[in-house]
Amino acid sequence: EDQVTQSPEALRLQEGESSSLNCSYTVSGLRGLFWYRQDPGKGPEFLFTLYSAGEEKEKERLKATLTKKESFLHITAPKPEDSATYLCAVRTNDYKLSFGAGTTVTVRA
Amino acid sequence: EAQVTQNPRYLITVTGKKLTVTCSQNMNHEYMSWYRQDPGLGLRQIYYSMNVEVTDKGDVPEGYKVSRKEKRNFPLILESPSPNQTSLYFCASSLTGYGYTFGSGTRLTVV
Repeated sequence: EDQVTQSPEALRLQEGESSSLNCSYTVSGLRGLFWYRQDPGKGPEFLFTLYSAGEEKEKERLKATLTKKESFLHITAPKPEDSATYLCAVRTNDYKLSFGAGTTVTVRA
Repeated sequence: EAQVTQNPRYLITVTGKKLTVTCSQNMNHEYMSWYRQDPGLGLRQIYYSMNVEVTDKGDVPEGYKVSRKEKRNFPLILESPSPNQTSLYFCASSLTGYGYTFGSGTRLTVV
């Protein structure tokens, strides 16, 4: 069975304090790993897709990386508006998406 | 504006009373999917569809039905809702089956 585990569950940061979120996965045949951002009361918002080990994607203060067993979402010099829950998901050979439980990031000014 | 529209946003109902949550997308996407989100469990896929008249079960399909008669619409049907179906529901669509666009969610309470 496909498994996606995110850590930590919650992360509190000072503005400007860089950190990383982890997403480890156990799947049979990875077809893509996705990062989403979810704000309270809203649907997830797509951030990145990573397809193969060694791939990296960047968007503003966020950078996602992928290895054969895990992905990291690095937040560089975060601002309060980066506060959200970050979700990781994997797609395998079928069309299913399996999500992790998420990491809730709070950035204090 | 490209979007996925779910209705209603909030719904309180009683056990056993059939209900339908509608989902519509205006992006001509092939793939559509339903998820439920519960605290500590994350998003779990209920059903997904690869095209009109093509649907398949996700991880938690019990107690739910779907249909895909038109490309833009993908309603979620609860024939006999129970309290354990109280949850936050999301519909999503994708052109390729990879990056999905999500709706704003439907918060369902079954009493």
